Amino acid sequence: QSALTQPASVSGSPGQSITISCTGTSSDVGKYYLVSWYQHHPGKAPKLIIYEDSKRPSGLSNRFSGSKSGNTASLTISGLQIEDEADYYCSSYAGSGTWVFGGGTKLTVL
Amino acid sequence: QVQLQESGPGLVRPSQTLSLTCTVSGSSMTGGGYYWNWIRQRPGKGLEWIGSVSYSGSTFYNPSLRSRLTISMDTSENHFSLKLSSVTAADTAVYYCAAGGYGDYADWGQGTLVTVSS
Repeated sequence: QSALTQPASVSGSPGQSITISCTGTSSDVGKYYLVSWYQHHPGKAPKLIIYEDSKRPSGLSNRFSGSKSGNTASLTISGLQIEDEADYYCSSYAGSGTWVFGGGTKLTVL
Repeated sequence: QVQLQESGPGLVRPSQTLSLTCTVSGSSMTGGGYYWNWIRQRPGKGLEWIGSVSYSGSTFYNPSLRSRLTISMDTSENHFSLKLSSVTAADTAVYYCAAGGYGDYADWGQGTLVTVSS
């Protein structure tokens, strides 16, 4: 069970859109419709922003969207805001009741 | 919404057992189809799923920690626990408890820092 692969960092300007990728294998990301995404501001608890590949929790801004193609899932944030600056993590089911996270991506809003 | 609060020692000696408890409020642990999870973040690293216990009491462990790990739940006290044996400095981390459906951790505790040091 290896960690999912995410870019270490991405950046964008306010109002722009960015996409963060999350690459796994045919045994996790590519096999199940169970990729989640979390926003993590340091010192705070992580926050669920996408589940089951592309579903948003109730009340969450539609600026956040999730998608998947093959073994790679993606998180897109549109209309970037200063408060979106945070670390973002993907997670996937890996079979046999186990789960695996990505290494995390630091989003900088310039 | 479920409220979660971690508790336990902030300092553990090497080779000893790390023990943490997560107290649950706002939901029955056996109702609602929840899975109760432990997740950690080592210094400068990403999130790592440690393991979980389901609403029915089934347990699931990270294969890399399985030999040292026990997760249990006490429905009478409405809490679940983590025990990690034979700890080393590599187990120093912020430990979170989290709850949700199957793999979507909608509710989190604030996290507790556990340092392994002599």
